[in-house]
Amino acid sequence: DAGVIQSPRHEVTEMGQEVTLRCKPISGHNSLFWYRQTMMRGLELLIYFNNNVPIDDSGMPEDRFSAKMPNASFSTLKIQPSEPRDSAVYFCASTIRTGQPQHFGDGTRLSIL
Amino acid sequence: DAKTTQPNSMESNEEEPVHLPCNHSTISGTDYIHWYRQLPSQGPEYVIHGLTSNVNNRMASLAIAEDRKSSTLILHRATLRDAAVYYCILRDGDSGGSNYKLTFGKGTLLTVNP
Repeated sequence: DAGVIQSPRHEVTEMGQEVTLRCKPISGHNSLFWYRQTMMRGLELLIYFNNNVPIDDSGMPEDRFSAKMPNASFSTLKIQPSEPRDSAVYFCASTIRTGQPQHFGDGTRLSIL
Repeated sequence: DAKTTQPNSMESNEEEPVHLPCNHSTISGTDYIHWYRQLPSQGPEYVIHGLTSNVNNRMASLAIAEDRKSSTLILHRATLRDAAVYYCILRDGDSGGSNYKLTFGKGTLLTVNP
């Protein structure tokens, strides 16, 4: 079975550029999560979607971050403009329904120069 | 959110059992105990979860204290592939609450020696 698929795996870009991270959840899963992991802050939940609707975006750092889920099989996390402090590994996870174990992708390692 | 306390690191030898402890003295009655692990350069991976009774699956066993203020993840025979950071997380089981939320702490870094 295909797991959660994230792209790209690595992204290096200059500050000020727009960055778009992509996620394909496991088919049939109705909940999707975006996390960010840094050495200083560990794993943090950024946003949670249920049935394609954002439910909790309290973890989104600031207005430069936005996330969408146009359909059940695709989500994006966008940073515009990017800053060096956004450098981190970004993970997407999905679950078949709220409260069930989350399945994580392998992450996107983002470096903003 | 109820918090968990885990040792920063532990060491084990290959093919020996490993007992990873977790303290959660402020656990509420509806909190489930979840364990995830994160192998190097990978996303977290679900291991096991339980509420009150001990649980077993193909990956591990979870032993929950009678007062639920602590739990232990048991790997019966450690392999080199079990070297990872292990996270003990409390998830609110109340469907009217934030039952979707997993709050990751720093976890326990498990080193397995050959």
